[in-house]
Amino acid sequence: SQTIHQWPATLVQPVGSPLSLECTVEGTSNPNLYWYRQAAGRGLQLLFYSVGIGQISSEVPQNLSASRPQDRQFILSSKKLLLSDSGFYLCAWSLGQGETQYFGPGTRLLVL
Amino acid sequence: AQSVTQLGSHVSVSEGALVLLRCNYSSSVPPYLFWYVQYPNQGLQLLLKYTSAATLVKGINGFEAEFKKSETSFHLTKPSAHMSDAAEYFCAVSASNSGYSTLTFGKGTMLLVSP
Repeated sequence: SQTIHQWPATLVQPVGSPLSLECTVEGTSNPNLYWYRQAAGRGLQLLFYSVGIGQISSEVPQNLSASRPQDRQFILSSKKLLLSDSGFYLCAWSLGQGETQYFGPGTRLLVL
Repeated sequence: AQSVTQLGSHVSVSEGALVLLRCNYSSSVPPYLFWYVQYPNQGLQLLLKYTSAATLVKGINGFEAEFKKSETSFHLTKPSAHMSDAAEYFCAVSASNSGYSTLTFGKGTMLLVSP
């Protein structure tokens, strides 16, 4: 069966520090991968998606970036965090057009 | 472009009462529709999915939803609420294009269940 992992589970970072969140999927090949951010009372916002290694599409311009160095690994990064980057970050995967997205457990990021 | 509107940011019911969470969508093509549930500090879990087969879709934990094209609705129901149903629920519509599917989510409805 397929599983999706995210780490760390919780992160507290100072403003201006770098960020690296990791997501890995097991049990499937060539998944579509997604990064979402969930801020309190604002629903889920799609940040990035990827249909293959090295292929990243950005939905929202911001100080975040994403990379997909391996088929089942998706990384969310920032060079300098802002207070507004605080939130709950969710990674998800799917197979193909119209298929269900399956979510990881999330990473809670607090920028102080 | 797709969009989703969930009516009511909070819904309160008593244990044993009917649960009704409302979702209306907008889509220029036949949609795929989803309901997800999120418990505190956890990821989203799929409850059910509509993919143009039967209009009444049954999901996990006794939930079901009915697709009504004429009303552009996909409301979620459960005949009898349980305390464990207290969570946030998200309706989503997919925009299928070129081999990937992005989901557009509603803002969520928090379900509160009282004893």
